[in-house]
Amino acid sequence: SQQGEEDPQALSIQEGENATMNCSYKTSINNLQWYRQNSGRGLVHLILIRSNEREKHSGRLRVTLDTSKKSSSLLITASRAADTASYFCATDARGSNTGKLIFGQGTTLQVKP
Amino acid sequence: DTGVSQDPRHKITKRGQNVTFRCDPISEHNRLYWYRQTLGQGPEFLTYFQNEAQLEKSRLLSDRFSAERPKGSFSTLEIQRTEQGDSAMYLCASTQTVDEQYFGPGTRLTVT
Repeated sequence: SQQGEEDPQALSIQEGENATMNCSYKTSINNLQWYRQNSGRGLVHLILIRSNEREKHSGRLRVTLDTSKKSSSLLITASRAADTASYFCATDARGSNTGKLIFGQGTTLQVKP
Repeated sequence: DTGVSQDPRHKITKRGQNVTFRCDPISEHNRLYWYRQTLGQGPEFLTYFQNEAQLEKSRLLSDRFSAERPKGSFSTLEIQRTEQGDSAMYLCASTQTVDEQYFGPGTRLTVT
């Protein structure tokens, strides 16, 4: 079963606009990661935020984490057509020493040129 | 290209047949994971290897599924007596730490 929910399930925006995706999870975590998946392909790691961090930036990506609400958000600024993909949050449960990831259901982002 | 390869990329098989998939991780990575992803869903954890030892298996991994990682290098995932419900993308990932995982392109299985 999935760890949590992602919201929205689908998002369609114009190139240049910002895209915000939200993720909620159920258990205490070591870290939360965001991955991107182009259609029919493998996943690519985007960014990792640890449980003691509240915000992290990487290029056009900004991730926030609220452990009290068990939620995270991913902001993509100045979106490009090449950002069209599915985006997944994944958590590494606290107390787990295997590093296995529990994924959300994903948000499908379409960026129109 | 993340450096993790999977073979084959696509497999079509008839119900009841056995299939085997292969994953070649990044060479220095001692941790290897298998996930399964169905259409419109996120990946679900199947099993985890540290070197050659299989240390965790999901309840999703029924007795028809078996995975190996001989000598801690490549890994194989075998499904016996395939069922239509096994149709999915099978993803392999490797890492040296408990942080970022490097995913292969996946093997898409279609059971007819």
